[in-house]
Amino acid sequence: DIVLTQSPALAVSLEQRATISCKTSQNVDNYGISYMHWYQQKPGQQPKLLIYEGSNLASGIPARFSGSGSGTDFTLTIDPVEADDIATYYCQQSKDYPRTFGGGTKLELK
Amino acid sequence: QVQLKESGPGLVQPSETLSLTCTVSGFSLTSYSVSWVRQPSGKGPEWMGRMWYDGDTAYNSALKSRLSISRDTSKNQVFLKMNSLQTDDTGTYYCTRDREGSSYFDYWGQGVMVTVSS
Repeated sequence: DIVLTQSPALAVSLEQRATISCKTSQNVDNYGISYMHWYQQKPGQQPKLLIYEGSNLASGIPARFSGSGSGTDFTLTIDPVEADDIATYYCQQSKDYPRTFGGGTKLELK
Repeated sequence: QVQLKESGPGLVQPSETLSLTCTVSGFSLTSYSVSWVRQPSGKGPEWMGRMWYDGDTAYNSALKSRLSISRDTSKNQVFLKMNSLQTDDTGTYYCTRDREGSSYFDYWGQGVMVTVSS
């Protein structure tokens, strides 16, 4: 299985930039597409798709969210952070079965 | 609009079988795939398996021996059955729309909390 590793928590100030990383145990790129996706989850809610294929913004997601990276190293950036962005963020790969998720990064306020 | 809604029992006895239903609207099960994803409290999600738009299935190898996913396209429903439940199967179970090609989950149901306990 492809293992996705995220830092458990990140403390950030409002209106600053947050950079959340996800490292994979194997390359998740294929034919120029990164099979890496990002979700936001708030307490008591289902996850919500933010970014697909590494850098594509999902429908209705604000432009302050962006995704980058390739191969085994990926980043979700939130700039600037707003109060509504306090949540847990998960990366997910779909290069191989089983689909796997990272353990999540909890974004906290400084 | 696209909606998915899970239903099923909230409490299951150890060693018993879990049966969940996902009822979808706003899209066709013959055009889109649906995956089941579960999440233990305080942990990351775990992909369980997928019902392809063409009726084929794919399962997480860790669960394959206990898991079965089926569908009834006339009722817009996808079913999950998992046997021999244990306490570590406790968590929230979601059905999701699974996009073809890149296989990301663009819509999620609200989830159903399942507790395995006697």
